[in-house]
Amino acid sequence: DAKTTQPNSMESNEEEPVHLPCNHSTISGTDYIHWYRQLPSQGPEYVIHGLTSNVNNRMASLAIAEDRKSSTLILHRATLRDAAVYYCILRDTSYGKLTFGQGTILTVHP
Amino acid sequence: DAGVTQSPTHLIKTRGQQVTLRCSPKSGHDTVSWYQQALGQGPQFIFQYYEEEERQRGNFPDRFSGHQFPNYSSELNVNALLLGDSALYLCASSGGQPFPYEQYFGPGTRLTVT
Repeated sequence: DAKTTQPNSMESNEEEPVHLPCNHSTISGTDYIHWYRQLPSQGPEYVIHGLTSNVNNRMASLAIAEDRKSSTLILHRATLRDAAVYYCILRDTSYGKLTFGQGTILTVHP
Repeated sequence: DAGVTQSPTHLIKTRGQQVTLRCSPKSGHDTVSWYQQALGQGPQFIFQYYEEEERQRGNFPDRFSGHQFPNYSSELNVNALLLGDSALYLCASSGGQPFPYEQYFGPGTRLTVT
């Protein structure tokens, strides 16, 4: 499985944008980039995914580097509810397993 | 619409015993995946069931087995429990529209082996 590298932790203030980076230098041409997050005492939840182009949805934006070796999850205005562990995952099939790493612990300050 | 449900919420077992965990997928989903999450770690993939067959398996011993029923619900069985099997066991379902590839996770079953 292609590997991803994320910072162990990041901090943000409420109402400010947050940029969560992910490096995936060994990504293959068919790997999709997925982001999931896990709030305290809950199962992970899907955030966003993309292949080559930048993607937006109601939760976040995903910016993918032109060479696809890195990506950034953007939360436009962090809220206290966004405090969670964020996982960047490469997925080689549409139905396949999710391979979670350590993720980034995001702390949001009021 | 109920999401993914899992039972029981918590479970305490003794080494050597066997345990069965249950999962009901989100309505409209036909695929169930199971994950193990040790404290402080990310979830680790155990296996995935589709059309009542194991479609993909992670690096877990044969003590871990599963089943999917015609109504798409699933069970995870673990035999000969070890202390190291203590973890949060997560079930995820997928296959629904309009986003068939997203996995929706349940709240998990916390298993403690003493």
